[in-house]
Amino acid sequence: GIQVEQSPPDLILQEGANSTLRCNFSDSVNNLQWFHQNPWGQLINLFYIPSGTKQNGRLSATTVATERYSLLYISSSQTTDSGVYFCAVGPFGGYQKVTFGTGTKLQVIP
Amino acid sequence: DSGVTQTPKHLITATGQRVTLRCSPRSGDLSVYWYQQSLDQGLQFLIQYYNGEERAKGNILERFSAQQFPDLHSELNLSSLELGDSALYFCASAPGGTGYSPLHFGNGTRLTVT
Repeated sequence: GIQVEQSPPDLILQEGANSTLRCNFSDSVNNLQWFHQNPWGQLINLFYIPSGTKQNGRLSATTVATERYSLLYISSSQTTDSGVYFCAVGPFGGYQKVTFGTGTKLQVIP
Repeated sequence: DSGVTQTPKHLITATGQRVTLRCSPRSGDLSVYWYQQSLDQGLQFLIQYYNGEERAKGNILERFSAQQFPDLHSELNLSSLELGDSALYFCASAPGGTGYSPLHFGNGTRLTVT
């Protein structure tokens, strides 16, 4: 099956700092999503971005499908950004499972 | 609020028992996905249903089964429970079944097997 690798595994930021999270995947995908799992365990869909660039407030994401990676940018980080960020991908073709990476655990300190 | 409803929120049961987890998808969504999240295994895909039919299968144990009903709600049945089945179980829904749409997750059911 498709392999998904995320880096870095852990990240500690001072409030106000910027960061870039990376997701590499091993095969062509028709579905790439970024999720934030908050400290209460809720999984929030941040972006559906199989290709191109999207922005939502302080967050933006870019997927370069031909090179099999995606980046999530967090600017002016806040303590509420803490949690785990997951990348999830689904390969081309029919009804396929959506596979999650192992996540990046982010801690934003005041 | 994602619009996906999972019940119960918490479940504590003993080894060897059987439990049923329930999921109601967002209005209009035809696909339901089940995931298991444990500390050492991350988020593992279990199974996907689309409009009542099984469409994709992942690392689902034979002791586990699921179904999607005509009203599109889904149930995940876990039997002969073991300590290692303790985990957070998530349901997600999507409009279609082929993956060309975002997943929206419920808040999960935390299962503790003692």
